[in-house]
Amino acid sequence: GAVVSQHPSRVICKSGTSVKIECRSLDFQATTMFWYRQFPKQSLMLMATSNEGSKATYEQGVEKDKFLINHASLTLSTLTVTSAHPEDSSFYICSAREGGGTQYFGPGTRLTVL
Amino acid sequence: AQSVTQPDIHITVSEGASLELRCNYSYGATPYLFWYVQSPGQGLQLLLKYFSGDTLVQGIKGFEAEFKRSQSSFNLRKPSVHWSDAAEYFCAYIFGNEKLTFGTGTRLTIIP
Repeated sequence: GAVVSQHPSRVICKSGTSVKIECRSLDFQATTMFWYRQFPKQSLMLMATSNEGSKATYEQGVEKDKFLINHASLTLSTLTVTSAHPEDSSFYICSAREGGGTQYFGPGTRLTVL
Repeated sequence: AQSVTQPDIHITVSEGASLELRCNYSYGATPYLFWYVQSPGQGLQLLLKYFSGDTLVQGIKGFEAEFKRSQSSFNLRKPSVHWSDAAEYFCAYIFGNEKLTFGTGTRLTIIP
């Protein structure tokens, strides 16, 4: 099956620093990738939709200047959490949509901001 | 508004027993339907999907799901659960070019 990787799997940073998370589709090309945030014991919340070569589309309430998304190639999208604060601590999951329409998810990145 | 509902927040099943997790969708037309599983601290893994055709869909890890248009349901089943099946299960749907919409999830606990 299709595989999506995320790096890093876990990151701890100080408040005020920026953190970059990478999402890669390993065996297929993904014109569209998605970034989700998940709070403990809750479902996934879509943050933004990322299309290769164009600006990301953010969901209502998601700060585009805080969560910078870049989708520079058909296999790589990055999420940068800028000036991170403790309230940004969460589990971030990316997914990539293959040509048939199915979304495959990465293993997630646990961000802890001290 | 279109939505998908998972009525059971938490289900406990004995190892070796059968399992059925409920999922109901509200949509005028038939959407694409999915079941994903999430182990603690992990991403989501696709178990199975229904686009069209045969309404009984076979997935990985011995799971199956049946699409019932009359009941707007897409319940997930497994004849005999294993301790490793303990996880969070999400039903999801997508229609056209809309975004994937998840249910609230059902947490499955397996007891010996």
